[in-house]
Amino acid sequence: SYELTQPPSVSVSPGQTARITCSGDALPKRFAYWYQQRPGQAPVMVIYKDTERPAGVPERFSGSISGTTVTLTISGVQAEDEADYYCQSADSSNTYVVFGGGTKLTVL
Amino acid sequence: QVQLVESGGDVVQPGRSLRLSCAASGFTFDSYGMHWVRQAPGKGLEWVAVIWYNGSNKYYADSVKGRFTISRDNSKNTVYLEMNSLRAEDTAVYYCARGAVGGTPHYFDSWGQGILVTVSS
Repeated sequence: SYELTQPPSVSVSPGQTARITCSGDALPKRFAYWYQQRPGQAPVMVIYKDTERPAGVPERFSGSISGTTVTLTISGVQAEDEADYYCQSADSSNTYVVFGGGTKLTVL
Repeated sequence: QVQLVESGGDVVQPGRSLRLSCAASGFTFDSYGMHWVRQAPGKGLEWVAVIWYNGSNKYYADSVKGRFTISRDNSKNTVYLEMNSLRAEDTAVYYCARGAVGGTPHYFDSWGQGILVTVSS
């Protein structure tokens, strides 16, 4: 079955840039989406269609793609950005949804 | 604004059945695909099922195929998840989530607050 691979954890100091990667063979053909989940809360979309930012999401959140890897970049990280981040896409047939395993972002 | 409210969560014994409901408001329900996503305690997100805007297509994760059924009633703005032959590994918070207009591409732009299902003897 199709898989998306994320690092389990990323740590940065406040004001620095955090980069979270997500790798998958079908990513050049299927859009990727990113979700932020704070403890005890439902996920919230922060990036859609690889690079687009939904209304209301701070500009410090951005997305990029290079080959089979998509990257969520958070510039000028703030304490409130500490959360779990999940990438999501679909398999090559566009039938089944796949999530990455999630990355815990720690703000030191 | 978009609102999704899940209900029906409970503690059930292995092998039993349970039906979850998700009441939607704040948008044209019958234009959107709808999904169920779950999260086991301390674990990541797992997609469960999707139903097209008109119910014409339904797809399931391999882990629930043949046991779970997704359905919708557009007259009631509600999507359901019928869960049969429940197992301990189905224990999770179940989220209802809005998908794309029609059904694809697959993404989730609004989520409910989640409802806990516990499968235990």
